[in-house]
Amino acid sequence: GNSVTQMEGPVTLSEEAFLTINCTYTATGYPSLFWYVQYPGEGLQLLLKATKADDKGSNKGFEATYRKETTSFHLEKGSVQVSDSAVYFCALSDNSSASKIIFGSGTRLSIRP
Amino acid sequence: GAVVSQHPSWVICKSGTSVKIECRSLDFQATTMFWYRQFPKQSLMLMATSNEGSKATYEQGVEKDKFLINHASLTLSTLTVTSAHPEDSSFYICSARPSGRAETGELFFGEGSRLTVL
Repeated sequence: GNSVTQMEGPVTLSEEAFLTINCTYTATGYPSLFWYVQYPGEGLQLLLKATKADDKGSNKGFEATYRKETTSFHLEKGSVQVSDSAVYFCALSDNSSASKIIFGSGTRLSIRP
Repeated sequence: GAVVSQHPSWVICKSGTSVKIECRSLDFQATTMFWYRQFPKQSLMLMATSNEGSKATYEQGVEKDKFLINHASLTLSTLTVTSAHPEDSSFYICSARPSGRAETGELFFGEGSRLTVL
């Protein structure tokens, strides 16, 4: 079945450091890929998405590229801020009629001032 | 933006009682809603897909008689945890997909409901 694997946290970085959170997936067909973010005390929010191979999703300085050859969708940001501290979830949708979204285990990110 | 509201945000109940959690899409219609369960420091586990006007589709290992789902309108889905026990204590999250936008795969999430069963 479909699955998402992302790097375990927690990840702790200093402000302005470069961030990479790895995500790989297993899926039949051509899934859509997502990164969701959960800030402390809030619900999940869509951060960015990509719907086909080689697409790059971007938002708030974060980027992720849909790599079909490596089945990956790594999240990157060039210079993180304290306000980026949150839990990040990689996810995929199988684009079937049900279009269920399957989540990775989440990566907790903490940024030190 | 699209808003999904869950109620109650937290509830404490005695073992053996039933608890109902509501999920409402406030400014859009949602033919499909999803219910997730999130354990501490873990990912969201999809419990079931709730379809307006029809029976919910449960994921493998989820007891449908334990977790009753009703999606009676395009803006409301309810999850009832029947005869709750301490092991049912968890954070329950709903999400909704705007009708006619299944191809985008985007979901809007409620803020979650924390259930504690004593």
